[in-house]
Amino acid sequence: QKEVEQNSGPLSVPEGAIASLNCTYSDRVSQSFFWYRQYSGKSPELIMSIYSNGDKEDGRFTAQLNKASQYVSLLIRDSQPSDSATYLCAVRNTGNQFYFGTGTSLTVIP
Amino acid sequence: NAGVMQNPRHLVRRRGQEARLRCSPMKGHSHVYWYRQLPEEGLKFMVYLQKENIIDESGMPKERFSAEFPKEGPSILRIQQVVRGDSAAYFCASSPPNQGVVRNTEAFFGQGTRLTVV
Repeated sequence: QKEVEQNSGPLSVPEGAIASLNCTYSDRVSQSFFWYRQYSGKSPELIMSIYSNGDKEDGRFTAQLNKASQYVSLLIRDSQPSDSATYLCAVRNTGNQFYFGTGTSLTVIP
Repeated sequence: NAGVMQNPRHLVRRRGQEARLRCSPMKGHSHVYWYRQLPEEGLKFMVYLQKENIIDESGMPKERFSAEFPKEGPSILRIQQVVRGDSAAYFCASSPPNQGVVRNTEAFFGQGTRLTVV
């Protein structure tokens, strides 16, 4: 079983809609969870981190963490064409190792 | 505070040559991670290092690949006798030690080195 799993997509949403990206992880004792965005040909950039169960909001982005279900999600409200990218879920375990999912490709259609 | 610096940004090597990729972590970061990414694919973990120690090299091929993070200077990923299949983007990320603290332990990426083997 992979450490971090994501639906590879592609996911297409119309401009202004909510995009929902999901991720599950296998290591129950993981403590730190991250979402990165990667534009084509560029390096991943950190957009959200979450450490506690519940929701964390930052502008149009909301990260949700459910440790009991080992589930992390990212909601993007009022999606814009500039949000079109690949979104990578990452988990840091107690051994300081980062595991990345393979990414979900998002396209926002104008 | 400079970010993670990787060089060169682009590297072209002929088959059989050696490729040497450098990564200088962010100031205060003692953990370095190397990842490989093929076109249209996800990040594949290669190796995790701390100063003078390889912590986890389970993602690195046993042959031709090596990595180091010396006490002074950048982390180096070395690929000997390169083959066409080594052509990829190689990303380095760094993070601070967590020292028992969960927060503010994000990893930040460099711009990557795009290796082309001809």
